Amino acid sequence: DAGITQSPRHKVTETGTPVTLRCHQTENHRYMYWYRQDPGHGLRLIHYSYGVKDTDKGEVSDGYSVSRSKTEDFLLTLESATSSQTSVYFCAISDSDRANTEAFFGQGTRLTVV
Amino acid sequence: EDQVTQSPEALRLQEGESSSLNCSYTVSGLRGLFWYRQDPGKGPEFLFTLYSAGEEKEKERLKATLTKKESFLHITAPKPEDSATYLCAVQAVGGSYIPTFGRGTSLIVHP
Repeated sequence: DAGITQSPRHKVTETGTPVTLRCHQTENHRYMYWYRQDPGHGLRLIHYSYGVKDTDKGEVSDGYSVSRSKTEDFLLTLESATSSQTSVYFCAISDSDRANTEAFFGQGTRLTVV
Repeated sequence: EDQVTQSPEALRLQEGESSSLNCSYTVSGLRGLFWYRQDPGKGPEFLFTLYSAGEEKEKERLKATLTKKESFLHITAPKPEDSATYLCAVQAVGGSYIPTFGRGTSLIVHP
């Protein structure tokens, strides 16, 4: 299994509070992604990173920010949590320097905003 | 814009009843098509990568095929442990390595 750890695995937070989710990898892969998964929508890309301090927006980036200060860590921050951000969040990694560039996923973080 | 459509949304089979899942895609140029399996409460688990039309990959009871417009995941003589959601994703040529996912097919295999 690819070395990806997401923390926390579960979190309940109140509307309006900031929340940070962490993704840690031990594979030294260049690309890291944050997706959210909701019934009826599948996996939707929030933000991604293609290197240290290199990030870009995905299709559902409003209300989220990210940071990558080290190759192994990719943080997702909900600046002011809303109920619409209740979801399961997945981190994924992939390596552009290999012939195969499939993404490997973490176990997910279930976030509930009340 | 890259698009991936999976059908059916849900599929119920009896143990041993073979069937196929479909993934149709629209992409400017295909770099790779990926199949994943996702069990409840877990992250997607990588199954196969297909790169060019005519390519096939097999793993146990699963066989993935690829044409220029779609991919099929054939499940032969399924068992209850094959029950999961199967996700398809495409990766386009040209710079970005971001995979675009379909919404998945939920498969239930009854004993």
